[in-house]
Amino acid sequence: DAMVIQNPRYQVTQFGKPVTLSCSQTLNHNVMYWYQQKSSQAPKLLFHYYDKDFNNEADTPDNFQSRRPNTSFCFLDIRSPGLGDAAMYLCATRNRDTQETQYFGPGTRLLVL
Amino acid sequence: TQLLEQSPQFLSIQEGENLTVYCNSSSVFSSLQWYRQEPGEGPVLLVTVVTGGEVKKLKRLTFQFGDARKDSSLHITAAQPGDTGLYLCAGVRGATNKLIFGTGTLLAVQP
Repeated sequence: DAMVIQNPRYQVTQFGKPVTLSCSQTLNHNVMYWYQQKSSQAPKLLFHYYDKDFNNEADTPDNFQSRRPNTSFCFLDIRSPGLGDAAMYLCATRNRDTQETQYFGPGTRLLVL
Repeated sequence: TQLLEQSPQFLSIQEGENLTVYCNSSSVFSSLQWYRQEPGEGPVLLVTVVTGGEVKKLKRLTFQFGDARKDSSLHITAAQPGDTGLYLCAGVRGATNKLIFGTGTLLAVQP
């Protein structure tokens, strides 16, 4: 029944050690988003894909990269995590053609030691 | 740049009390959404309001979109502990459907 799946739910990494978070969807939506959310704050959009077209937000640090190998999967790569990157990372999807709303996954909480 | 301000930022009330959360902006949005987020989970959509002046009810929750489509309010009647969570408003902008999230209101309802 799950529609937007994020694995793992909790991820621990070390300062400076690359980490990848994954998102998959069973909705066949053409848009996939990555948000960063720090404790009790609003989600902040990092970037999104419309099909294979990558759209980066102007203030997203270069440390954050993304890959979308196919419709179902999207990855968030943090090249050199800093302590300030500890946060909840949310994936969301949307069908742009039908103008539906975004569907959020449960998030991955990242801890940087 | 934060375009949507929510107030209050934190709210702790007793079960059975009423409350109102406000979401204000100087920008016009094509529609506005309200989400509730529980700890360790993603935001869950509660409602979308589209028309200026629109009022929508979801059980004990009443949502209103301002006439000018710049602000919104969420009123909860007889709050329950299950209403506890982070409430987020989000303005929907343009053809890309980008969500501009508000600053959030953390609600705790004590039994």
